[in-house]
Amino acid sequence: EVQLVESGGGLVQPGRSLRLSCAASGFTFGDYAMSWVRQAPGKGLEWVGFIRSKAFGGTTEYAASVKGRFTISRDDSKSIAYLQMNSLTAEDAGVYSCNRVGYASGRYYFFDYWGQGTLVTVSS
Amino acid sequence: EIVLTQSPATLSLSPGERAILSCRASQSISSFLAWYQQKPGQTPRLLMYDASKRATGIPARFSGSGSGTDFTLTISSLEPEDFAVYYCQQRTNWPADFTFGPGTKVDIK
Repeated sequence: EVQLVESGGGLVQPGRSLRLSCAASGFTFGDYAMSWVRQAPGKGLEWVGFIRSKAFGGTTEYAASVKGRFTISRDDSKSIAYLQMNSLTAEDAGVYSCNRVGYASGRYYFFDYWGQGTLVTVSS
Repeated sequence: EIVLTQSPATLSLSPGERAILSCRASQSISSFLAWYQQKPGQTPRLLMYDASKRATGIPARFSGSGSGTDFTLTISSLEPEDFAVYYCQQRTNWPADFTFGPGTKVDIK
């Protein structure tokens, strides 16, 4: 059974940093791209960024709203993905979930498994 | 940037009725569209990918159709557990960007 478990959320002051972790199990972690999606309270879904598998270079892509402030990394030996968030603002508050990127018809483009999410609150 | 628009924003129906949800892309995305269901207090669950393929464990009452810019998610006969918010989603390769529609809430009439 595929499981994704996020941790590291909490209350943080504006301008500070926070690192989220996503522990994966039930599949060969290193074979998959992993992504982060967030949801502000009462709002819709917003993609944050993703990291390709090592087979595709392990490179990262980010949404414009977080580029330059957030960094995604992975440790395939531990089956963990990370989201390092710097210079946080109130607009970054919400539930952050990690997702496995699914592959179909020659393209990686959807999220086939989701974690339960971890809440990030940005407030002084 | 490709924008996804969903309609209606809210759909009020009774159990047993058919639900038809629409997702429109601002430019052609072929069939690279996914649908998700989100219940209160939960993260989303994948329902469909490639516009019309059901994800693992999704009941047959869910079906998807469309290609290009216009897509539909149909729930043939609503069960009590189907009342939720539904999102469509696509990805562009360059620049790499995953976008979601604003969602359609299916609530009990």
